[in-house]
Amino acid sequence: NAGVTQTPKFRILKIGQSMTLQCAQDMNHNYMYWYRQDPGMGLKLIYYSVGAGITDKGEVPNGYNVSRSTTEDFPLRLELAAPSQTSVYFCASSYSGLNTEAFFGQGTRLTVV
Amino acid sequence: AQSVTQPDIHITVSEGASLELRCNYSYGATPYLFWYVQSPGQGLQLLLKYFSGDTLVQGIKGFEAEFKRSQSSFNLRKPSVHWSDAAEYFCAVGPTGFQKLVFGTGTRLLVSP
Repeated sequence: NAGVTQTPKFRILKIGQSMTLQCAQDMNHNYMYWYRQDPGMGLKLIYYSVGAGITDKGEVPNGYNVSRSTTEDFPLRLELAAPSQTSVYFCASSYSGLNTEAFFGQGTRLTVV
Repeated sequence: AQSVTQPDIHITVSEGASLELRCNYSYGATPYLFWYVQSPGQGLQLLLKYFSGDTLVQGIKGFEAEFKRSQSSFNLRKPSVHWSDAAEYFCAVGPTGFQKLVFGTGTRLLVSP
């Protein structure tokens, strides 16, 4: 099983460029999440989704957008990249809410210069 | 607001020695508590979780954690550390009803020969 797959693994962007971080899961999970991980800061929730067509903001949503057109995919869009968005991004999924385990992808390391 | 504190940024333990990683939380109700491990270049993997019941929970890879309500703590322990345990460990707390985890800043475990 592939689990949660994130692409790309690494990316360098120039300020003002845009890009989409891809996330796909093959476990038929309803819930999906995007986190960012900054050094010494732990993980912060950017956006989450409880099912296809339903998304909501997390703790740090500014500068990002998401969509959830299918159960499997949950892309994260950066429209105007800024140096503050340099981080490692993790996508995760879980079957339902809190009582089930979340599975994480391997991360995307993004640098904005 | 809920919060998680991992007071140790780095810990070095000799191989074969015992390990305890500290986690303290602040939460207004009964918390859902988790420990995740992140190996270099990998996503997070769930070690164990506490929802209710027995306050000593067993996890994968020989880890255990004890929930102490009076101390607002959920410390992770292992009796004998292996070199492969070198990784970063994250404690997380979540509200009931929905998975919006708040993560601690992590403790990096180094294992010396």
